[in-house]
Amino acid sequence: AQKITQTQPGMFVQEKEAVTLDCTYDTSDQSYGLFWYKQPSSGEMIFLIYQGSYDEQNATEGRYSLNFQKARKSANLVISASQLGDSAMYFCAMRELETGANSKLTFGKGITLSVRP
Amino acid sequence: DGGITQSPKYLFRKEGQNVTLSCEQNLNHDAMYWYRQDPGQGLRLIYYSQIVNDFQKGDIAEGYSVSREKKESFPLTVTSAQKNPTAFYLCASSPGGFLEQYFGPGTRLTVT
Repeated sequence: AQKITQTQPGMFVQEKEAVTLDCTYDTSDQSYGLFWYKQPSSGEMIFLIYQGSYDEQNATEGRYSLNFQKARKSANLVISASQLGDSAMYFCAMRELETGANSKLTFGKGITLSVRP
Repeated sequence: DGGITQSPKYLFRKEGQNVTLSCEQNLNHDAMYWYRQDPGQGLRLIYYSQIVNDFQKGDIAEGYSVSREKKESFPLTVTSAQKNPTAFYLCASSPGGFLEQYFGPGTRLTVT
């Protein structure tokens, strides 16, 4: 089974509107971390936001917020007030606690977001 | 400026040749990672290293090799045994634990 599932087709949003990018995950670990990265056409991966499995509050970073629903195993990214520069691929990723401090990151297949002027 | 550098940005090789991709970081991070990305796909882990002189295979290590002789450097060699080497390769580093990984700009390798 896939550990990270991103099934939305290409997403479109009007500039200045909010958009939600979906992510569901699968793990039997109690301790894990969830990440969202942005990949513009240049190819670099830009870290956006992090949510720990024990965090009671949803994470927020500027215009980005993470809608964390632990029982449903979902970690959706909400981008408010979309900007043209938000057009990119967005990846959800999970880190499960393994032996040692530096456990691996598992990525979803990504979602393409296009912001319309 | 602190960061991760990968060179070159574009690399072209003939089939049957080994090629080494460079990754250097000056963030003083213990952990370093190599990922492969194919068009329209997510990232797949090739190798990772938690500490100098130690590294582990990721999900798709066959046909690749790495070394970690210095904390700052984690070069990846794509060998002739790798059946489909053409891809975008991303290097990352992390201070450890649940903290985020920081990525380099990537190297696009084309093998013909």
